[in-house]
Amino acid sequence: DIQMTQSPSSLSASVGDRVTISCRASQAISNYVAWYQQKPGQVPKLLIYAASTLQSGVPFRFSGSGSGTEFTLTISSLQPEDVAIYYCQKYNSAPRTFGGGTKVDIK
Amino acid sequence: QVQLVESGGGVVQPGKSLRLACVGSGFRFGAYAMHWVRQAPGRGLEWVTLTSYDGSQTYYSDSVKGRFTVSRDNSKNTVSLQLTGLTPEDTGVYFCAKEGIATVQGLIHQTLESWGQGTLVIVSS
Repeated sequence: DIQMTQSPSSLSASVGDRVTISCRASQAISNYVAWYQQKPGQVPKLLIYAASTLQSGVPFRFSGSGSGTEFTLTISSLQPEDVAIYYCQKYNSAPRTFGGGTKVDIK
Repeated sequence: QVQLVESGGGVVQPGKSLRLACVGSGFRFGAYAMHWVRQAPGRGLEWVTLTSYDGSQTYYSDSVKGRFTVSRDNSKNTVSLQLTGLTPEDTGVYFCAKEGIATVQGLIHQTLESWGQGTLVIVSS
């Protein structure tokens, strides 16, 4: 099965900083990657699919890139409401594996 | 709007069984694949299983294969998850999720578009 490895596992940044989260697939998966945000005490929310397509209603400060095995989620200007754990997920085939998550908080 | 409501969680002894249910509303239930995802306390998301729109195809993670069974009744807008042979490692919140379908550059992309609030399963003696 294809594994999804996220890095870093956690990060702390200042409001307004640019934040980058990486996700690596153990095999090439084209652009079949989604990113989810889970705020404390809340259910996960879809942010991005097809590696770079923003889900409706998601702020434009979020962006995604990548293809093959390397993927990136970027927050261009970190806001207090972005404190959350972010997960990548592959969905080209089952199992639809998640990455281990990246916890983002404010410095 | 889409609403997913899970039920059936509780405390169960190791080796026992439990049946979870998820009722969907606000969308054409029988047109979408449905997933279960779980989250152990303080841990990350773990994809568990999916059933196709008509229940004819099901897929499982290796960690639950042979122990969990997903099924659906589209006449009742319900997807169920039968958990058997439970171990403490199965403890967690179980979410059901509706698959979203989008077309990007002519290709179909299937994501977890809407999530329920989850139901807590605790496996403990």
